[in-house]
Amino acid sequence: RKEVEQDPGPFNVPEGATVAFNCTYSNSASQSFFWYRQDCRKEPKLLMSVYSSGNEDGRFTAQLNRASQYISLLIRDSKLSDSATYLCVVAGGGGADGLTFGKGTHLIIQP
Amino acid sequence: DAGVTQSPTHLIKTRGQQVTLRCSPKSGHDTVSWYQQALGQGPQFIFQYYEEEERQRGNFPDRFSGHQFPNYSSELNVNALLLGDSALYLCASSLRRREAFFGQGTRLTVV
Repeated sequence: RKEVEQDPGPFNVPEGATVAFNCTYSNSASQSFFWYRQDCRKEPKLLMSVYSSGNEDGRFTAQLNRASQYISLLIRDSKLSDSATYLCVVAGGGGADGLTFGKGTHLIIQP
Repeated sequence: DAGVTQSPTHLIKTRGQQVTLRCSPKSGHDTVSWYQQALGQGPQFIFQYYEEEERQRGNFPDRFSGHQFPNYSSELNVNALLLGDSALYLCASSLRRREAFFGQGTRLTVV
């Protein structure tokens, strides 16, 4: 089983729609969780950290379910500029700080 | 405030050669991690440096080595280059166990 699994997509979504991504992780000792966004041929950029209580940043909402080892990202009122690859990232566990990335989910917002 | 900077941005090397990539962390950050990203994949963790020591290592051979200097900057060295080492090499800096910020990467091509 891969450490962090994501549906690679692509997800083709009309502008203004709501889209949700999920991700599962295998290491139950993981301590930190993030969503990063990566544009084509660019570096990953932190979108948001993910907390057990759930957190929201504008149109973006992230949720963590530790019992199911499952992380989600919801994007409301999607914009053309949201088109990118979204990387689910897990860190920690056993004193390890290095980030473990999923392969990413490719999102295409269509006009 | 300068973010994470990497040099060079692009590099072409011949199989069997050695390469050194450089990274300056974001101001105030003390931890540097290196990642390899092949086309269509998520970044893979190579190793992490803190207080000038390698603290954690991913599943990469000894041909990959690194160093961190007193000013927190870091180098990644790869010996005996293989064609399969062609990838985007990303440096990320952080304050221990906090969110990581990435440089723009060095695109290495081995021919």
